[in-house]
Amino acid sequence: EVQLVESGGGLVHPGGSLRLSCAASGFSFSFYWMSWVRQAPGKGLEWLANIKHDGSEKYYVDSVKGRFTISRDNAKNSLYLQMSSLRAEDTAVYYCARVGVFGSGTYGSMDVWGQGTTVTVSS
Amino acid sequence: QLVLTQSPSASASLGASVNFTCTLSSGHSNYAIAWHQQQPEKGPRYLMKLNSDGSHTKGDGIPDRFSGSSSGAERYLTISSLQSEDEADYYCQTWGTGIVVFGGGTKLTVL
Repeated sequence: EVQLVESGGGLVHPGGSLRLSCAASGFSFSFYWMSWVRQAPGKGLEWLANIKHDGSEKYYVDSVKGRFTISRDNAKNSLYLQMSSLRAEDTAVYYCARVGVFGSGTYGSMDVWGQGTTVTVSS
Repeated sequence: QLVLTQSPSASASLGASVNFTCTLSSGHSNYAIAWHQQQPEKGPRYLMKLNSDGSHTKGDGIPDRFSGSSSGAERYLTISSLQSEDEADYYCQTWGTGIVVFGGGTKLTVL
């Protein structure tokens, strides 16, 4: 079964740091670009970052550039999001998602999603 | 600037059909999009990738009641024979070099 499972969320003080993990299974993780997406309470989906299958390219939304870092370990089939200088507005459910590979019918789409992990930034 | 526009809400009766529209910003009318469903208190679920020519690739297990079509800069999602479990938020998503964009989402109420 193709599956993504996020972990690492929790309560953190403003200015603090947190590292999220996403464990992938059921597919060849090293072939796929991967993404992080978040959803603040009562709000829509917001893309945060993408990483190429080999980790050689990374892209971020402006609001997290310099504060968040996306990375991956293909040997462990794992995706990470290191978050620092956290603010109250970073409070959200954080999802990892798989991006469809070039040449497939789902190319560019987020075709597999995790169940999410909740991050709360509060004093 | 790559932007997707969706109406915030829609409603339809059980057993009826409903259409959702996702509009691509000027200059991006040839872009493909993806549709995602998010049921209450759940994570998003991939429904389909929809190309500018109307061809689409559905996710595993997505019923035939869900279909997509395109016209110019507009991308459509149609759900027929509405069921109570279709009550959810529906998001469109597209991408460019180094960027991913979501529409604001449409909340579907099944009456």
